[in-house]
Amino acid sequence: AQSVTQPDIHITVSEGASLELRCNYSYGATPYLFWYVQSPGQGLQLLLKYFSGDTLVQGIKGFEAEFKRSQSSFNLRKPSVHWSDAAEYFCAVGGYGNKLVFGAGTILRVKS
Amino acid sequence: NAGVTQTPKFRVLKTGQSMTLLCAQDMNHEYMYWYRQDPGMGLRLIHYSVGEGTTAKGEVPDGYNVSRLKKQNFLLGLESAAPSQTSVYFCASTTGRGFDTQYFGPGTRLTVL
Repeated sequence: AQSVTQPDIHITVSEGASLELRCNYSYGATPYLFWYVQSPGQGLQLLLKYFSGDTLVQGIKGFEAEFKRSQSSFNLRKPSVHWSDAAEYFCAVGGYGNKLVFGAGTILRVKS
Repeated sequence: NAGVTQTPKFRVLKTGQSMTLLCAQDMNHEYMYWYRQDPGMGLRLIHYSVGEGTTAKGEVPDGYNVSRLKKQNFLLGLESAAPSQTSVYFCASTTGRGFDTQYFGPGTRLTVL
């Protein structure tokens, strides 16, 4: 069965600093991988997704993620964080029936 | 185009009471999902539907029932609420083609006393 691990529960970065959120997955076949963001009191919004091809994926709001099969990782990055990026971030892997399995989430705090 | 809407936004129940959460989408999506979100556990799939008149169990289906009588609506029912069902519930929908984006509703915060 597929699973997703997000090792960091909380991360705090300074505004303008770079960001990397970690995600490790377990899946037998070629994975379909996603990053979602949830602002406080809101639903989830898709940042980016990887299906195949180029292992560096560009998303919305200046985010990118890199798929590394050898490390079973799909880490999310942003070169310069803005205060509005403070939110909870979820990594997910797609399985049978178009079902998603989510990680536990990483809460990002941005300090000014 | 409202996307995915959920009714109600908040609800407080007493143990043993019943209620129904309504999810509606106006994107003509085939697939719909109900998740619950608990701190430190991410989102877990309760039930899902791959088309009108169909439903299937997800990861944590116990204590919940669902119905998809109309394509645009997906109902989640709690027949006898328990404190363990205190959570935030999210509905999502997608076309069902490949791994098209799942679009999420704003959530329903349910407290069971």
